[in-house]
Amino acid sequence: GAVVSQHPSWVICKSGTSVKIECRSLDFQATTMFWYRQFPKQSLMLMATSNEGSKATYEQGVEKDKFLINHASLTLSTLTVTSAHPEDSSFYICSARWDTYEQYFGPGTRLTVT
Amino acid sequence: AQKVTQAQTEISVVEKEDVTLDCVYETRDTTYYLFWYKQPPSGELVFLIRRNSFDEQNEISGRYSWNFQKSTSSFNFTITASQVVDSAVYFCALIQRNTGFQKLVFGTGTRLLVSP
Repeated sequence: GAVVSQHPSWVICKSGTSVKIECRSLDFQATTMFWYRQFPKQSLMLMATSNEGSKATYEQGVEKDKFLINHASLTLSTLTVTSAHPEDSSFYICSARWDTYEQYFGPGTRLTVT
Repeated sequence: AQKVTQAQTEISVVEKEDVTLDCVYETRDTTYYLFWYKQPPSGELVFLIRRNSFDEQNEISGRYSWNFQKSTSSFNFTITASQVVDSAVYFCALIQRNTGFQKLVFGTGTRLLVSP
């Protein structure tokens, strides 16, 4: 149980375009979802926390207008990277939880912006 | 504030050697959880263990063991008789009550390379 999927697993896009990444909890209802970013050979950094039906809470230094997060249902959260640039190339990982401290991680999405 | 330090950036061992990955944490909260995750080259995080702040018992799971010591704020991870498949990046992480258990903070990770 507690499976989280992400789609796509990898994406290449051109500079200036937008790309959407989906995060789904497959067998549970996620009251909270989290988005992390991981640059090569670095640690995971929390970008934002989203609760179903409310606006996401962004960590300091994360641009809200660039990284749009929508958590429209208890099983789906999306991260849209708007006007992507090469410096946005990274590994994006989502996680989800219901009412405990335990977070279940998705497999990640590798974004390359050319 | 919460912080996790993994001082070992990279460790190389030969198969069958034992290896210990260090994790030191900082927190002012009395209720918190510590985690270890494995990240193989595929990138997917694999959950290994969770420990709460009230349970200092050490744990063993097969070749893996964990030593949690509140007195030194450490949560070290030992792999016995390492195997090539253990090669990965290992992350220690902390989550605490005063953030509503919302913010999981990761250490910088330790890259383990096990050669045959």
